[in-house]
Amino acid sequence: DAKTTQPPSMDCAEGRAANLPCNHSTISGNEYVYWYRQIHSQGPQYIIHGLKNNETNEMASLIITEDRKSSTLILPHATLRDTAVYYCIVKPWGQGAQKLVFGQGTRLTINP
Amino acid sequence: KAGVTQTPRYLIKTRGQQVTLSCSPISGHRSVSWYQQTPGQGLQFLFEYFSETQRNKGNFPGRFSGRQFSNSRSEMNVSTLELGDSALYLCASSFEGPNTEAFFGQGTRLTVV
Repeated sequence: DAKTTQPPSMDCAEGRAANLPCNHSTISGNEYVYWYRQIHSQGPQYIIHGLKNNETNEMASLIITEDRKSSTLILPHATLRDTAVYYCIVKPWGQGAQKLVFGQGTRLTINP
Repeated sequence: KAGVTQTPRYLIKTRGQQVTLSCSPISGHRSVSWYQQTPGQGLQFLFEYFSETQRNKGNFPGRFSGRQFSNSRSEMNVSTLELGDSALYLCASSFEGPNTEAFFGQGTRLTVV
């Protein structure tokens, strides 16, 4: 079973910041938070991951609360191409194994 | 660099038949994992291979099997196909490391009739 909880759907206006929340209240100390997205009928795409510090890359920012029980993925200037299902996943550190447990994700719709 | 390549992209099979799907990982990636995606169950982990050995297995019947070759390419096989096996089958590859990310292919869309 997935160890994360996400809202099933969200809407955001084009050009605005999209903030996607994720609850992972049972996260262990050795587990990373990963975010992937899946645009319709394509393979999931890696976005970002983090352990306890905030992270930023060219696609997004990841804000992890101090107690690590929740996180927020931020797409700073959403475009129509960001419409997708976004998955928040926790995965143990130290395992090279790529067993990703996907939940239902958040269906993000960017509106013009 | 080239991404993860899955072949074929689309496949139609009849109940009772078997099918083999292929996955070529990104060059240098030695870990290959497989997932099944259906509307009802979402994305589910099938198994993962590393250095030709199965390292993890999901909760699927024995009809689902796989293997990995010395060049890290992987195949998965489904025998005695059932209608419920109709799904998008996704392959992902990654480097070995403590916190690496997985790169997914475009998938093989299998339809069982």
